[in-house]
Amino acid sequence: DAGVTQSPTHLIKTRGQQVTLRCSPISGHKSVSWYQQVLGQGPQFIFQYYEKEERGRGNFPDRFSARQFPNYSSELNVNALLLGDSALYLCASSFDGELFFGEGSRLTVL
Amino acid sequence: QKEVEQNSGPLSVPEGAIASLNCTYSDRVSQSFFWYRQYSGKSPELIMSIYSNGDKEDGRFTAQLNKASQYVSLLIRDSQPSDSATYLCAVPSGGSYIPTFGRGTSLIVHP
Repeated sequence: DAGVTQSPTHLIKTRGQQVTLRCSPISGHKSVSWYQQVLGQGPQFIFQYYEKEERGRGNFPDRFSARQFPNYSSELNVNALLLGDSALYLCASSFDGELFFGEGSRLTVL
Repeated sequence: QKEVEQNSGPLSVPEGAIASLNCTYSDRVSQSFFWYRQYSGKSPELIMSIYSNGDKEDGRFTAQLNKASQYVSLLIRDSQPSDSATYLCAVPSGGSYIPTFGRGTSLIVHP
């Protein structure tokens, strides 16, 4: 079975640009979560979706948005990028509270 | 803000020793507790989950939970250099399916 897949794996943007990250969960998983991880820190929660409904939102500005599609895949959008948005963005699908992470999308903002 | 605290380390142990990793959490009603392993440059990988007080063993790994003390630990027996990684503790707040992660403890197992 395929695990969680994320795209793109690496990307470079400049300040003020917008970025869209994509995630496909493990087959049968209906919940997708997004986390941001900067070097030396644990993952910080951004969003969780379940059955296309937002179930939770972390302490991130409105520049961050997400959605989940009928096939349970998900997109994370970040507008007006700042240097501080440079990080590893992790998507996880979950079953019974256990998270299964994709390989992440490493975003560099210049 | 519910918190999960871990010593960032690094914790250095010789090959073959027992590595002990600790985590405290602030939400008294949390019911599930998870340990993830993250190799440098990779994403976190679930290695243990524990829901009841006491010990849970899986191979060389043992998770220990004490809800009264709000403390969860991970023991790694017969540590190997391949165990060198950052270990993340994750705890959902009571009633939530959304885990809060600690900052992780870096473990170095030297030959």
